[in-house]
Amino acid sequence: ETGVTQSPTHLIKTRGQQVTLRCSSQSGHNTVSWYQQALGQGPQFIFQYYREEENGRGNFPPRFSGLQFPNYSSELNVNALELDDSALYLCASSPRAGRGVRSTDTQYFGPGTRLTVL
Amino acid sequence: AQSVTQPDIHITVSEGASLELRCNYSYGATPYLFWYVQSPGQGLQLLLKYFSGDTLVQGIKGFEAEFKRSQSSFNLRKPSVHWSDAAEYFCAVEVPNQGGKLIFGQGTELSVKP
Repeated sequence: ETGVTQSPTHLIKTRGQQVTLRCSSQSGHNTVSWYQQALGQGPQFIFQYYREEENGRGNFPPRFSGLQFPNYSSELNVNALELDDSALYLCASSPRAGRGVRSTDTQYFGPGTRLTVL
Repeated sequence: AQSVTQPDIHITVSEGASLELRCNYSYGATPYLFWYVQSPGQGLQLLLKYFSGDTLVQGIKGFEAEFKRSQSSFNLRKPSVHWSDAAEYFCAVEVPNQGGKLIFGQGTELSVKP
C-alpha cells in the first residue's frame, strides 16, 4: 500500500505566475484536503475534495482552486502568485463515508511541496 | 470560532527526561483532537487521536495524551525522551460539518540535549 505522494518536491516561481501542485491519495481514500504551512506556522486548511466535489473551504481567495479526479488524486492551482504564497503545501487523504459524516478516520499527510515565490 | 493554542513555541529537554507539551482548544462541542509530529522537511505524522471514551490515549513512539474537558486541554506526554524525538509537534482539532477541516496550533519545537 502506497502512502500519500506529492509532486513536485520543490518549486520556484515568480510573482504573478500560476502553479499547479499534485497529490496522489492513499489507496482506498476518497477524500483529499489541502493545507498551506507558512514558515514557523501550523498548517492552514485551504479546501477539501470528496468524490470530485469541493467539500469545505478555508479562508483563502478564489485564486486558490482545486480539482479531484475519478481516481481521487487531486490538484491545487494557484493563480497570480504573490510573495506570501511561499509556503509548504501539504495534502492529506482519508476515507469518508459521506459528505457530511464526521469521520474518525485518520488523515494521512504527504511530504509536501515547497513553493518559493520570488 | 474554534482555535488551538500551543503556549510553548520552543522547549528543550535532556535525553531521558520526561516531556509534556501543552495544548488548549476552544470548541463548543465534543472535540476530535490530534497530535501530529513533523520532522524537518517532512510531512505530518499522526502520533495519537482522541474522539471519545477513555480520556487517556496512547499513541505511537511511546507518547500519550490526556483530554481534560474542564481545562479544555489535550497535553502530550512522554516519560523518557529520546534524541530522535527532536521535531515540531502540532496539536489539532477537527471542525465538524466543514469537510473534516483540521485547525492546527502554531506548533512547539522540541530540542533534545544529550
